[in-house]
Amino acid sequence: DTGVSQDPRHKITKRGQNVTFRCDPISEHNRLYWYRQTLGQGPEFLTYFQNEAQLEKSRLLSDRFSAERPKGSFSTLEIQRTEQGDSAMYLCASSLARDTTYEQYFGPGTRLTVT
Amino acid sequence: EDQVTQSPEALRLQEGESSSLNCSYTVSGLRGLFWYRQDPGKGPEFLFTLYSAGEEKEKERLKATLTKKESFLHITAPKPEDSATYLCAVPPRTGGGNKLTFGTGTQLKVEL
Repeated sequence: DTGVSQDPRHKITKRGQNVTFRCDPISEHNRLYWYRQTLGQGPEFLTYFQNEAQLEKSRLLSDRFSAERPKGSFSTLEIQRTEQGDSAMYLCASSLARDTTYEQYFGPGTRLTVT
Repeated sequence: EDQVTQSPEALRLQEGESSSLNCSYTVSGLRGLFWYRQDPGKGPEFLFTLYSAGEEKEKERLKATLTKKESFLHITAPKPEDSATYLCAVPPRTGGGNKLTFGTGTQLKVEL
């Protein structure tokens, strides 16, 4: 399978705990994106990487959120001191920046529930 | 700020009953418009990219079209397996990276 993969698929945590999600992009893709989606809404951009460099962060990404992409391969998204408002689907996408082709391919998502 | 508005929010069709979904956007100097399909509990699945007014793309029972202000996703003779949420998205007018701004989607249900 050469698609985007995410782990875990589901995470239930108690308020105040830290959680970390992993995303493995399509192997030749140099751009990686994180989005958050709540029920009835479209995905909202959080941050993106080109290779290992984090080039943009949304104002939605509070200081409790941190993302890394060491060596430009997989990425991790960590949420510290989780709050109930963090409950959402966290989606990872990847793309190959080439000419005018910008299609982003999404993974299956990680569903986070904060109790 | 770029805005994307989709209508209707929800649509129920009988199998074989063709219809269209609408996506309007406020981005000037559009650098592309993307359509995705999303099944419950899954990530969005890429369908089409449209880059210029007048462009059309087809895939099975779906056809996407683009004007200067909006895009339509036409569904011809839909089947129950076409039931899903259809999302459209645009990249920013300037800047790199191509982060997407999504609409809230149209939830389509096709009944027998």
